[in-house]
Amino acid sequence: RKEVEQDPGPFNVPEGATVAFNCTYSNSASQSFFWYRQDCRKEPKLLMSVYSSGNEDGRFTAQLNRASQYISLLIRDSKLSDSATYLCVVNPGGSYIPTFGRGTSLIVHP
Amino acid sequence: NAGVTQTPKFRILKIGQSMTLQCAQDMNHNYMYWYRQDPGMGLKLIYYSVGAGITDKGEVPNGYNVSRSTTEDFPLRLELAAPSQTSVYFCASSSQYEQYFGPGTRLTVT
Repeated sequence: RKEVEQDPGPFNVPEGATVAFNCTYSNSASQSFFWYRQDCRKEPKLLMSVYSSGNEDGRFTAQLNRASQYISLLIRDSKLSDSATYLCVVNPGGSYIPTFGRGTSLIVHP
Repeated sequence: NAGVTQTPKFRILKIGQSMTLQCAQDMNHNYMYWYRQDPGMGLKLIYYSVGAGITDKGEVPNGYNVSRSTTEDFPLRLELAAPSQTSVYFCASSSQYEQYFGPGTRLTVT
């Protein structure tokens, strides 16, 4: 089993749709969780951290389920500009060496 | 703040040539990383550093070398370039868990 697994997609959704991605991780000692966004031919950029209590930033909501070892990202009211690859990132406890998922591709069409 | 900068942006090497990819950060981060990303694939860690003078191998170190003489700079050296090293190289830095990436260097070895 890979350390961090994501459905590669692509998820093809119309503008205004709600879309959700899941990411599973294998190391139960993981303590820090993030979602990054990577546009085509660009560097990854931090989208949001994922806390145990969940967190929301505008149209984006991230959740953590430690019991089932997965994190999720929900995007509401999708915009064309949301089209990108979304990377799930997990840090094992006490380590500053993160593990990146391969990413989930989102395509938002008019 | 410039953040993380990388030079060059693009480079074409002939098989057997050597080169150094430059990376610098102005955020006073202790942690720095080198990744490579092949088309359609995830990020793979090449080398990382936890501070000036301290470096360690990542997942795919063969064919590469690094040094970290200052907090700011973390150059990646390719010796005897091979076609398998054709990739996009990203440098990143962090103070704790959240990573900041440079814009990348696109390297082609022919």
